[in-house]
Formats: sequence, structure tokens, C-alpha cells
Amino acid sequence: QVQLQESGPGLVKPSQTLSLTCTVSGGSIRSGSHYWSWIRQPAGKGLEWIGRVYTSGNIKYNPSLKSRVTISVDTSKNQFSLRLNSVSAADTAVYYCARVAMYSYGYWFDFWGQGTLVTVSS
Amino acid sequence: SYVLTQPPSVSVAPGQTARITCGGNNIGSKSVHWYQQKPGQAPMLVVYDNSARPSGIPERFSGSNSGNTATLTISRVEAGDEADYYCQVWDNTSDHPAFGGGTKLTAL
Repeated sequence: QVQLQESGPGLVKPSQTLSLTCTVSGGSIRSGSHYWSWIRQPAGKGLEWIGRVYTSGNIKYNPSLKSRVTISVDTSKNQFSLRLNSVSAADTAVYYCARVAMYSYGYWFDFWGQGTLVTVSS
Repeated sequence: SYVLTQPPSVSVAPGQTARITCGGNNIGSKSVHWYQQKPGQAPMLVVYDNSARPSGIPERFSGSNSGNTATLTISRVEAGDEADYYCQVWDNTSDHPAFGGGTKLTAL
């Protein structure tokens, strides 16, 4: 059973950079059948996709965040990471990492991390 | 980007059937997936590819998709089914996922 675990600071100051890492266990991040993705959820609101990475290095970002986001993958550690710079209070949210199952007929998020709350505050 | 529309809330008596809709332009041509999210927990996949269930999901959960509406049906609703439910598709044009706004299911 694949498991994902987010880690990183729970508090970030405004204008600084949010950095999170997702560690994958029970499966290889090198799997050719999956993307690896970040999603966030502000309190009381819906899900917002941030971006995804493929082990080939192919990366795609949500256009609304593209100018501030970097997603990378470290296959040697079975991890992928998120950096979001110039944060503000609007970036306060629970951040999830998730695996994307890829099939010819559709893509979906089959495994999720438990989520980590990141608060942007001075 | 592709827009998915869900009702904010659905209420049903325990033991009855709940139907949660997800509207989108010609959504019947897409593969739709559903997630259940209980308070304080991560979303969990309950239906993928319109009507398939992951291992461990009860048969009470089923899905359908046609025309401009996809539907998640929960039969014999239990108190433990109370949660937010989100639909999702992958927009091939933009290569992005799209999520519905979520529906809060209440078992009266």
C-alpha cells in the first residue's frame, strides 16, 4: 500500500518561501504510471490543484500560481517537493501531496497524504 | 478551464438514497472521479472512471455519467457517510485536473 507523508514548517512569514516535502513509501516514485501532485485546501473551502511532476522531469503548474511555484522530484530519496514563494495570508491552507493514477481513459488521485497545515503569519 | 458544478449541500434520512450531482459541459464524454472528505481528514477516492470502486469501498457507493451530469449515488445512507464529496475530471485540453466545489452530505 502506497503511503505519502508531507513534512515542512507549519508557520511561514509573509513574503517568505513555503517549502514542503512529500515522502513516498510502499512504492517507487519512478513508476511510469503515475504523476505526483500537490493540492491545497484553505479552511472551509474546496480543493485547489497546485501542480504535478513526472519522474522524467515533466512538470505542470496551475496557471494561477505558476509564477510563484516550483515542484521538483528526488528519485534517490523517493520524495518530491513544493516551493511557493512570496507567500501571503491567502496561501494559508492544508497542503496535500497525492499520487495521480494515469490511464488512457482518465487520471485521478488514488493516494493522498494526511495533509499539513501551513499558516502564513508574522 | 473546465468548470464542474455541485450543489452545496444534500440532506437525506438514514437508510435512504443520496444522489450528488456534478454538472459540466458534455461531462458524459469524460472520466469522472469522486472523493469523500470527512472533517480533519484527507480526501479519499470512492469512485473512479465514472462508476468503478476502489478496493474497500462499499457497494453502496455507485456512480453514473451521461450528458452534462455525473451522479454519485449512496444507497442506504449511514451516519458515517456524512462528509464533503468532490467530483473531479482531468481536462485534457489544459492537462489540469478540475474539481467541483464540493457537496456536504448530511444524514438527517
